[in-house]
Amino acid sequence: AQRVTQPEKLLSVFKGAPVELKCNYSYSGSPELFWYVQYSRQRLQLLLRHISRESIKGFTADLNKGETSFHLKKPFAQEEDSAMYYCALSESSYKLIFGSGTRLLVRP
Amino acid sequence: DAGVIQSPRHEVTEMGQEVTLRCKPISGHDSLFWYRQTMMRGLELLIYFNNNVPIDDSGMPEDRFSAKMPNASFSTLKIQPSEPRDSAVYFCASSRLAGAPNTGELFFGEGSRLTVL
Repeated sequence: AQRVTQPEKLLSVFKGAPVELKCNYSYSGSPELFWYVQYSRQRLQLLLRHISRESIKGFTADLNKGETSFHLKKPFAQEEDSAMYYCALSESSYKLIFGSGTRLLVRP
Repeated sequence: DAGVIQSPRHEVTEMGQEVTLRCKPISGHDSLFWYRQTMMRGLELLIYFNNNVPIDDSGMPEDRFSAKMPNASFSTLKIQPSEPRDSAVYFCASSRLAGAPNTGELFFGEGSRLTVL
């Protein structure tokens, strides 16, 4: 069955430190992966999609098919990055399977 | 556009009562989703509508849950009778799946936090 695993419920780093939010997936086909973010008192929203190979707010994520991973990285964390982050896998044209989420806390 | 609109934002009810959650998707979107968020299970897809037709309801927990989409601008999720284990945040999301540059991106509402005592 398709699954998305985010092993860390909470990740705490200091401002300016590098951050890596882990995401592993299991999928038999060619995966389409996303990172969604929910800032405090805001809606859950798309941060980036792997197919776009984009950098959003300094975050990047590389799909590693060999390791079945899609980790989210940022070289220098900012306090405003504190939020809940969800990795998601597109199982079909419409169905997104979400991981359980990782709360990122960036301390001053 | 105000985005996806959900109501109520908070609902506290007693076990056995009927609960109805409402959602207005973004105009022009052809797909609507109901998700449930809990600490233990994260975000789970309950049901998916395309062009107002339920396509996938495999995530609906049991017969106590039902969802309707009578037209393109309104959907409801009903729980009858409600139980304490139904306490969660219920999200509605919409998207435009066909022929759009944002294909695959879901637009979420602010959620309805349900507490069943």
